[in-house]
Amino acid sequence: DAKTTQPPSMDCAEGRAANLPCNHSTISGNEYVYWYRQIHSQGPQYIIHGLKNNETNEMASLIITEDRKSSTLILPHATLRDTAVYYCIVRVRGGGSNYKLTFGKGTLLTVNP
Amino acid sequence: GAVVSQHPSWVICKSGTSVKIECRSLDFQATTMFWYRQFPKQSLMLMATSNEGSKATYEQGVEKDKFLINHASLTLSTLTVTSAHPEDSSFYICSARRDSVAEKLFFGSGTQLSVL
Repeated sequence: DAKTTQPPSMDCAEGRAANLPCNHSTISGNEYVYWYRQIHSQGPQYIIHGLKNNETNEMASLIITEDRKSSTLILPHATLRDTAVYYCIVRVRGGGSNYKLTFGKGTLLTVNP
Repeated sequence: GAVVSQHPSWVICKSGTSVKIECRSLDFQATTMFWYRQFPKQSLMLMATSNEGSKATYEQGVEKDKFLINHASLTLSTLTVTSAHPEDSSFYICSARRDSVAEKLFFGSGTQLSVL
């Protein structure tokens, strides 16, 4: 699986958009970008995933650059409850019974009042 | 939505005893479950992949005789930490792959293990 690089920490004001970057310059053509987050002392939570087109769901938007070497997770209106560690993971879709996720260090997003 | 229940949420035990952690998929069947360990201020580390009806696959460096995994049904996987020592104190998290929605994993709320 391709390696990802994320800033260790970011701050955001409550009500503003939070833009979390992720570099994955060695991504392969069949690898997807996944985002999970982990609120303190809880299990991770799936946010969104995509291949090359921008994606949006009820939680966030995912913007993937045309060359697919980087992406940005956007939380349009951050709240205090969005304070968490956000993980960007790149892997091949599917994988049968060997499917597994490998977590990096992620970005600690702190939303301030 | 899919729910994964993990029990207990926290446990304190004496050194040398064994501790069992349960992971249940409440509203879906999970052929595959995963066990992670997380030390303070660190990321999740995959320990093993649990497959229903077969032996678990352990990641390199994880002692299979110390961390016993059983996946006897499509909704339950257990992790037993045998002869626990203080260095086994950690946050243990399970996750399940919902076969019909295979692109994302659903995680339990985690178990904080403290070995005295």
